[in-house]
Amino acid sequence: EAQVTQNPRYLITVTGKKLTVTCSQNMNHEYMSWYRQDPGLGLRQIYYSMNVEVTDKGDVPEGYKVSRKEKRNFPLILESPSPNQTSLYFCASTKQGATNEKLFFGSGTQLSVL
Amino acid sequence: GIQVEQSPPDLILQEGANSTLRCNFSDSVNNLQWFHQNPWGQLINLFYIPSGTKQNGRLSATTVATERYSLLYISSSQTTDSGVYFCAVGYQAGTALIFGKGTTLSVSS
Repeated sequence: EAQVTQNPRYLITVTGKKLTVTCSQNMNHEYMSWYRQDPGLGLRQIYYSMNVEVTDKGDVPEGYKVSRKEKRNFPLILESPSPNQTSLYFCASTKQGATNEKLFFGSGTQLSVL
Repeated sequence: GIQVEQSPPDLILQEGANSTLRCNFSDSVNNLQWFHQNPWGQLINLFYIPSGTKQNGRLSATTVATERYSLLYISSSQTTDSGVYFCAVGYQAGTALIFGKGTTLSVSS
C-alpha cells in the first residue's frame, strides 16, 4: 500500500532532550516536507526536500533540523526541544515538485514538550 | 503572497443534508487540492483539482481557475464526514502548498 509513515504517533518529552521524528514513504517520491499544525495558525511548512541531499527552509525552520540521505526517509530532528514546539507534526510527499502534484500526508505526530 | 480564504468557517448539519464549501484564492494557481482532517487528526487528500470538475462518491469538487475559486460539494452527509476540510493551493514558483484555515463540519445523526 502506498503510504507515508511517521513515528511515533504520540510523544511526550521534556525541554532540552533531543528527539527525532521519523518519516518514510514507499512511493519513490522526490519531494518531501514537514509541516506543523497549531490552533489558529493552521498548517505551516518547516522544511522541505526536493531530492536526496537537497533540503531547504520553509516558513518556520527555527529549532528544527532535517536530513535527506535516502530518497525514502526524511527525519525531523529537534536538538533541544522547547515548550513552544508542542504541536501536531505532519510529514508529506509528492512525486515531483512542491506545488504541481498531489500531496500525501503521514498520520501525524502529536508532540508535547514539558 | 497568495491568500486562501475558506467559507463558511463552521458548518453544522443533520445527517442526510447536502453542503457546499467554498475556497477563494487571490492569485493564479496551478495546483489546488482539498483535504479532510478527520477527528483523529489524519489528513486525507480528497481531490487534486487545479481546474474542472471531479467526483468521488458523495463528494465532488469544481475549480474555476479564471475566477479564482473552488467548491467542494458533500451530498447526503454522514457522521463520518465530520472534521475539518482544507483547501490548499500552489503556484509555479512555490515551494509549498498554501493552506486555508479550513471549514469545520459537524454532522449529527
